[in-house]
Amino acid sequence: NAGVTQTPKFQVLKTGQSMTLQCAQDMNHNSMYWYRQDPGMGLRLIYYSASEGTTDKGEVPNGYNVSRLNKREFSLRLESAAPSQTSVYFCASRAGQGGSYEQYFGPGTRLTVT
Amino acid sequence: DQQVKQNSPSLSVQEGRISILNCDYTNSMFDYFLWYKKYPAEGPTFLISISSIKDKNEDGRFTVFLNKSAKHLSLHIVPSQPGDSAVYFCAASAGNNRKLIWGLGTSLAVNP
Repeated sequence: NAGVTQTPKFQVLKTGQSMTLQCAQDMNHNSMYWYRQDPGMGLRLIYYSASEGTTDKGEVPNGYNVSRLNKREFSLRLESAAPSQTSVYFCASRAGQGGSYEQYFGPGTRLTVT
Repeated sequence: DQQVKQNSPSLSVQEGRISILNCDYTNSMFDYFLWYKKYPAEGPTFLISISSIKDKNEDGRFTVFLNKSAKHLSLHIVPSQPGDSAVYFCAASAGNNRKLIWGLGTSLAVNP
């Protein structure tokens, strides 16, 4: 089992460029999450998907869109990148639907927007 | 407004001694609490959790204590090992959607 995988590991974008961060999990989990981590800010929820076919905004959704492609995959898209989106992005999954609270994280994508 | 607070940004402990990491929260609706460990360039890893109906949960060297009246929880690591050096995050959850609210983390250094 690979757990939660994220691609790419690193990315540098110019302001205004777009990109999609990919996330996949092989644990048959129902719920998936996208977070960003900035120095001194902890982990902040961007979007989440409680189950296949549903997505909801988290704490900091502006500038992002998500797609729950199927049960395994949850992608995060930046349509027009801004320097304020320079961050480390983590994807996580949880068994969901009344199951345990524990979320399992991928290794992260380090994004720099210049 | 931080609902989950880890007031100590860093902590240094000698190998073999006890490490105590603290976490305070403001929302009395939180019903489940978790601790995660994070090494540099890796994602957070689940460590231990506790339900609000308990006041203690133990797993090997790790014990979490919950004081609901004080809205305070702590993670005890005994004995501390150099491999425990990492950033520790406290997280709390309320409601059916099981979203987690995170503290800012405490960086633990265990010195040989």
